[in-house]
Amino acid sequence: EADIYQTPRYLVIGTGKKITLECSQTMGHDKMYWYQQDPGMELHLIHYSYGVNSTEKGDLSSESTVSRIRTEHFPLTLESARPSHTSQYLCASSDKTGGTDTQYFGPGTRLTVL
Amino acid sequence: GQQVMQIPQYQHVQEGEDFTTYCNSSTTLSNIQWYKQRPGGHPVFLIQLVKSGEVKKQKRLTFQFGEAKKNSSLHITATQTTDVGTYFCAGRVGSWGKLQFGAGTQVVVTP
Repeated sequence: EADIYQTPRYLVIGTGKKITLECSQTMGHDKMYWYQQDPGMELHLIHYSYGVNSTEKGDLSSESTVSRIRTEHFPLTLESARPSHTSQYLCASSDKTGGTDTQYFGPGTRLTVL
Repeated sequence: GQQVMQIPQYQHVQEGEDFTTYCNSSTTLSNIQWYKQRPGGHPVFLIQLVKSGEVKKQKRLTFQFGEAKKNSSLHITATQTTDVGTYFCAGRVGSWGKLQFGAGTQVVVTP
């Protein structure tokens, strides 16, 4: 099992609240990612980072923002949560050691916005 | 842009039967990876294929990369209830391209 952590695991929150989903990895990986996934559906890349102070938007437009101040930490923030943000958010990291560049996923945060 | 398509979207299998799920890309891939996500869990890396025509086996799972490096398949023999989950393929264009995940094949196994 990879050492990548996400908190909280579950979050129920009201519309308009600001929330931050935490993601940390202890593997020293340069690359980190945020995916949004509805139950049983495909993964949508919403943000990624190739290193400290580097962040890019993914393939799916998202109202969230990310930061990468430290290698191990890649938090995702929603300034004003809406019911349409209800989903599972998966954080992942990867490193090209050995040429594989495997993505290691965290356990996910299941977000419900009322 | 690059698209990775997976078929079928759903697969109901009787325990003990074999099945195959397919992954097709609109562009040539540098490599392809397969992941498995158990119900309620997160995707876990299974394998990476790099070479044209490559075939790799993991116990009852056989992974194949097409000669043109545009398609891949996962074949499971003698399906067990532990095979339940969603199988994702993910393709990469170029050495530094992002992984593009397919929509996944959701597998349900009937005892």
